[in-house]
Amino acid sequence: AQSVTQLDSHVSVSEGTPVLLRCNYSSSYSPSLFWYVQHPNKGLQLLLKYTSAATLVKGINGFEAEFKKSETSFHLTKPSAHMSDAAEYFCVVSGGDGNYGGSQGNLIFGKGTKLSVKP
Amino acid sequence: DGGITQSPKYLFRKEGQNVTLSCEQNLNHDAMYWYRQDPGQGLRLIYYSQIVNDFQKGDIAEGYSVSREKKESFPLTVTSAQKNPTAFYLCASSIKDTRPNSPLHFGNGTRLTVT
Repeated sequence: AQSVTQLDSHVSVSEGTPVLLRCNYSSSYSPSLFWYVQHPNKGLQLLLKYTSAATLVKGINGFEAEFKKSETSFHLTKPSAHMSDAAEYFCVVSGGDGNYGGSQGNLIFGKGTKLSVKP
Repeated sequence: DGGITQSPKYLFRKEGQNVTLSCEQNLNHDAMYWYRQDPGQGLRLIYYSQIVNDFQKGDIAEGYSVSREKKESFPLTVTSAQKNPTAFYLCASSIKDTRPNSPLHFGNGTRLTVT
């Protein structure tokens, strides 16, 4: 079975300092992993995805994530936070059980990490 | 611009009433999904549909119903049987793919309050 754990429910940083949002996953198969961002009262927007190509994945808005199989982690980072980065971030793992039926119904969402950015 | 439109943005209903949330997409995506979001809970899948006239239950389908009569539309009905319907509802779509790694495209959600 697949699972995903976001280790911090809330992270607060100062503008211009680095961002680290932590995500650990559990999967019996080679997983696909995603990070989504959600601004208040909005839908989710894809930041980046890992699908077994390069382990360091670059996304939009200067974010990147590194897939570390030995640590079962997929942490999201950004070198310098901007006020507009304040939002909730979700780590998502595909429920890859070997049945590639084409459905995203097997996606498993973490509970989210709320990022606050102080001026 | 292509995208997903959910309406209304806010919806208020009395307990015991059924209510239907609209979701329309013009992305030509085959697959559509309904998620429920509660604070601190992440997203939980209610129903999904990979093709017109077919849909499957997700993790929390009880008290909900859907239809998929057109590729562009996937309305969700919250019935009176749903014990705790107050939540933020998100509709999404994706390209039907042979591997489960196609990203989801989300609408801006409907916030339902039942009193």
